Amino acid sequence: SQKIEQNSEALNIQEGKTATLTCNYTNYSPAYLQWYRQDPGRGPVFLLLIRENEKEKRKERLKVTFDTTLKQSLFHITASQPADSATYLCALDAPMGSSSASKIIFGSGTRLSIRP
Amino acid sequence: SAVISQKPSRDICQRGTSLTIQCQVDSQVTMMFWYRQQPGQSLTLIATANQGSEATYESGFVIDKFPISRPNLTFSTLTVSNMSPEDSSIYLCSVVGSSQEWYNEQFFGPGTRLTVL
Repeated sequence: SQKIEQNSEALNIQEGKTATLTCNYTNYSPAYLQWYRQDPGRGPVFLLLIRENEKEKRKERLKVTFDTTLKQSLFHITASQPADSATYLCALDAPMGSSSASKIIFGSGTRLSIRP
Repeated sequence: SAVISQKPSRDICQRGTSLTIQCQVDSQVTMMFWYRQQPGQSLTLIATANQGSEATYESGFVIDKFPISRPNLTFSTLTVSNMSPEDSSIYLCSVVGSSQEWYNEQFFGPGTRLTVL
């Protein structure tokens, strides 16, 4: 079965620096990979999706890369702010048996803390 | 985007009882997903619910323990049966966007925080 690893359980960085989170996966190659943000007591909120044929995608201060050879995605937050403190989840699609539909499975998450 | 509501938002239940969680979506969706998130853990998919057919359960989850209903394209329920303290968790309902703008993006409800004593 598909396995997703987010290397750091927690990451603490200084405000203004770039935060870089790592997501690695094994077995088959997904059609796309997603990143979500989750605040305590709330459901995850979608941030970015990157497809297998895309190397990089940006959205404001966020940047995601996708290396299908390394089976790895990097998630960057530039000019980090204390408000960026949250848990960030990597997710990818996985097949649902014989159906053409897919389901989303999640990594364990990285808890990011930005200190002023 | 899809707006999802869940009821109840939280509950404290006694061992051996059952709780039914409701999920309502503001648009028609083909597939709805139920996840569990135990304290400090990531999300684990319990089952996928399609309207008009039986739910598809992931390994480790069975229909007798987590029966699911999907009576129409905007509503689903998940029942946690014969509860034990190990079932204490947050249960989340989710849908996948189907429009061109929101394709493959997954939307989540606010979750139901269940504590079993």
